[in-house]
Amino acid sequence: DAGVIQSPRHEVTEMGQEVTLRCKPISGHDYLFWYRQTMMRGLELLIYFNNNVPIDDSGMPEDRFSAKMPNASFSTLKIQPSEPRDSAVYFCASSLYLKVETQYFGPGTRLLVL
Amino acid sequence: AQSVTQLDSHVSVSEGTPVLLRCNYSSSYSPSLFWYVQHPNKGLQLLLKYTSAATLVKGINGFEAEFKKSETSFHLTKPSAHMSDAAEYFCVVTRSGGSYIPTFGRGTSLIVHP
Repeated sequence: DAGVIQSPRHEVTEMGQEVTLRCKPISGHDYLFWYRQTMMRGLELLIYFNNNVPIDDSGMPEDRFSAKMPNASFSTLKIQPSEPRDSAVYFCASSLYLKVETQYFGPGTRLLVL
Repeated sequence: AQSVTQLDSHVSVSEGTPVLLRCNYSSSYSPSLFWYVQHPNKGLQLLLKYTSAATLVKGINGFEAEFKKSETSFHLTKPSAHMSDAAEYFCVVTRSGGSYIPTFGRGTSLIVHP
């Protein structure tokens, strides 16, 4: 299995631009999670899905952030418009069960907003 | 409510010497505790977990951790550091019994000198 796949691995954009991060979970995993990692706040859960349905989005920072999962093999995290404070590493993870220890993490997308 | 504090942002050791990475937690309920490792440009990987069974937990790559309720600690140790252990380490707490939202520590960077 290729593991959790994220693209792009690096993204540099200018303030105000739309940014779309993509994630392909491990086949057969029913749960998908989006995390953000910053120096200031550490690693935070943004949102998670179960069977393509968003279950808890309480970690999404504001309306500029949105996440979708149109099918079992694909999810996006969109930031529109982007701001410099959105600069972070964004991780996607997937799992069979709703337990943190069963999650497999992707390599992350490093986002820099200028 | 729950929180986790990793007491050192950086730990530097020589190859072959013991490793100690410190973690203290706070939880209003019975916790589950985990240690994750993150190598450069990689996602997080589970090292070990404590879920209310044995208080001394053994993980991968020779790491182990001891849950001490009286001290609210879950320190990570390894008898002899290897160069390949150089990475970022995260202590994580969740509510025991499967309640989802994990709280991650800020991370400790382990530096291993030859």
